[in-house]
Amino acid sequence: GAVVSQHPSWVICKSGTSVKIECRSLDFQATTMFWYRQFPKQSLMLMATSNEGSKATYEQGVEKDKFLINHASLTLSTLTVTSAHPEDSSFYICSAKSLGTASIKAYEQYFGPGTRLTVT
Amino acid sequence: GQNIDQPTEMTATEGAIVQINCTYQTSGFNGLFWYQQHAGEAPTFLSYNVLDGLEEKGRFSSFLSRSKGYSYLLLKELQMKDSASYLCAVREGGATNKLIFGTGTLLAVQP
Repeated sequence: GAVVSQHPSWVICKSGTSVKIECRSLDFQATTMFWYRQFPKQSLMLMATSNEGSKATYEQGVEKDKFLINHASLTLSTLTVTSAHPEDSSFYICSAKSLGTASIKAYEQYFGPGTRLTVT
Repeated sequence: GQNIDQPTEMTATEGAIVQINCTYQTSGFNGLFWYQQHAGEAPTFLSYNVLDGLEEKGRFSSFLSRSKGYSYLLLKELQMKDSASYLCAVREGGATNKLIFGTGTLLAVQP
């Protein structure tokens, strides 16, 4: 249990275009989903926290109008990078958290496999 | 402010034991996690400590001292496949429960 998928796994886009990344919890309901960004040889940086049905909470320094997050259901969150630029090229990782079940720990975040974004 | 420090890189020999340290200063604390991450992949969960003491899980053990703001991950009987980045992360308290990740330690296991 506790599988999280991301789509696409990698994407190349031109500067100025928008890219949508999906994060899905496949076998559990995710009350909260988190979006991270990771540059080469660096650690994960939290971008935003999203709760189903409410607006995302963005970390300091993250532009909410550029990184649009939607958490429309308990199994799906999307991150849209609008007007992408080469400096947005990065590894984007989502994670999902549930309230907990017999097999899924409430304290743990379950990570998706990541999406490699390259903006040319 | 939030500060979570780890050594940047470590090298160890196959079959040996290595200890990766993590010190933290955060505004809240509700548990400490260790993750393993291979290049280009998502982190995988290794351990979770919320109370002081040692948690052992096979070849991996993790220790926590909340009063000292200190944790370590101990890897025994090192294997080549253990070459990876090891990330320490502190979970803040409160409603968000968000994770603040440390800088990560790149471990190279040599024959």
